[in-house]
Amino acid sequence: NAGVMQNPRHLVRRRGQEARLRCSPMKGHSHVYWYRQLPEEGLKFMVYLQKENIIDESGMPKERFSAEFPKEGPSILRIQQVVRGDSAAYFCASSPGGRSYNEQFFGPGTRLTVL
Amino acid sequence: GENVEQHPSTLSVQEGDSAVIKCTYSDSASNYFPWYKQELGKRPQLIIDIRSNVGEKKDQRIAVTLNKTAKHFSLHITETQPEDSAVYFCAASSFTGTASKLTFGTGTRLQVTL
Repeated sequence: NAGVMQNPRHLVRRRGQEARLRCSPMKGHSHVYWYRQLPEEGLKFMVYLQKENIIDESGMPKERFSAEFPKEGPSILRIQQVVRGDSAAYFCASSPGGRSYNEQFFGPGTRLTVL
Repeated sequence: GENVEQHPSTLSVQEGDSAVIKCTYSDSASNYFPWYKQELGKRPQLIIDIRSNVGEKKDQRIAVTLNKTAKHFSLHITETQPEDSAVYFCAASSFTGTASKLTFGTGTRLQVTL
């Protein structure tokens, strides 16, 4: 049973470009969460999605950031017009939902560097 | 919203000694408390969790305790080994029938010395 998959693992963008991060949840998991981790800091919640629905986006910046989890395919976190402050590790986690008390399993992360 | 505080930020112990990391939370509705271990450059890995209907849980050398009245929970690692060196994060969540976000503490860097 493959774990949570994320790609790319490393992404370099110049200021003003778009960054697109992908996350495939564990098999059987229908809930996806995105977290951001700045260097030497903890994880900060960004957005929580189920298939075709955004459930909680209270941690998402109001501008430039968007997320989706389509019926088919991975969840995507999109950052438009990136700035240096967007440089961070972006982790996705998945959970089965339901009675599982929200056990979340993390992917390997995408390390975004903005030049 | 929920706020989780974690102490200490760094902890150095000798191999074989015990390590204790403490967290407090603010939202009385929180009912799920996982602990994650993160090695340098790696993903956070769930090592143990506890639900609000339980006061203590143990898994080999790792144990977690929860005091709902005081809103704090702790991670205990006994007989520490060099491979326990990592950053440990506590988290809290309120599970209300649908899954919900985790609020993380700021992390504890544990160093186990020989």
